[in-house]
Amino acid sequence: EVQLLESGGGLVQPGGSLRLSCAASGFTFSPYAMSWVRQAPGKGLEWVSGISGSGGSTYYADSIQGRFTISRDNSKNTLFLQMNSLRAEDSAIYYCAKTGAVVFLHPAFDSWGQGALVTVSS
Amino acid sequence: DIQMTQSPSSLSASVGDRVTITCRSSQTITTYLNWYQQKSGEAPKLLISTASTLQSGVPSRFSGSGSGTDFTLTISSLQPEDFATYYCQQSYRTPLTFGEGTKVEMK
Repeated sequence: EVQLLESGGGLVQPGGSLRLSCAASGFTFSPYAMSWVRQAPGKGLEWVSGISGSGGSTYYADSIQGRFTISRDNSKNTLFLQMNSLRAEDSAIYYCAKTGAVVFLHPAFDSWGQGALVTVSS
Repeated sequence: DIQMTQSPSSLSASVGDRVTITCRSSQTITTYLNWYQQKSGEAPKLLISTASTLQSGVPSRFSGSGSGTDFTLTISSLQPEDFATYYCQQSYRTPLTFGEGTKVEMK
């Protein structure tokens, strides 16, 4: 059974940083492209970032470009999201999501974690 | 960016009803359209990919259709466990975008 477990969320002040992790188990992590999707409280889904199975290609939403960095450690079956210069509007549940492909091309997210809550507030 | 517009934003229905949700993209996305179901307090679940491919384990009462810019998710006979919010998502190009969601509530 595919399991994705996010960690690293919490309360941070505007301008601060957080690093989210997503520990994957129940499947062979390295071939699959992965992604982060967020959801502000009571709002819809927003794609944040994606990464190929090798980690060699990364993709970002315009709203976080230059502030967030996605990466992965295939030896540890873990996906990361480094979030810098955080703003109040970044407050959301951040979901780790698996695609069914090696490359981040036309992805559908076939498995999701339970999410990590990030709150940006002074 | 490709804009995704879902309608209606909410609907009230009864068990056994046929429910149809539409999703329109601001430009052609061929069939790169996915549908998700999200229940309150849970992560989303992929129901249908590439417009009409039903995911393993998803009941056959769910179906998807469409191509180009207009797409439909149909629940042929609504069941109690289907009350949830449904999202469409285009995977034609990045940035990937979702519709605003359709909340299916009990009448």
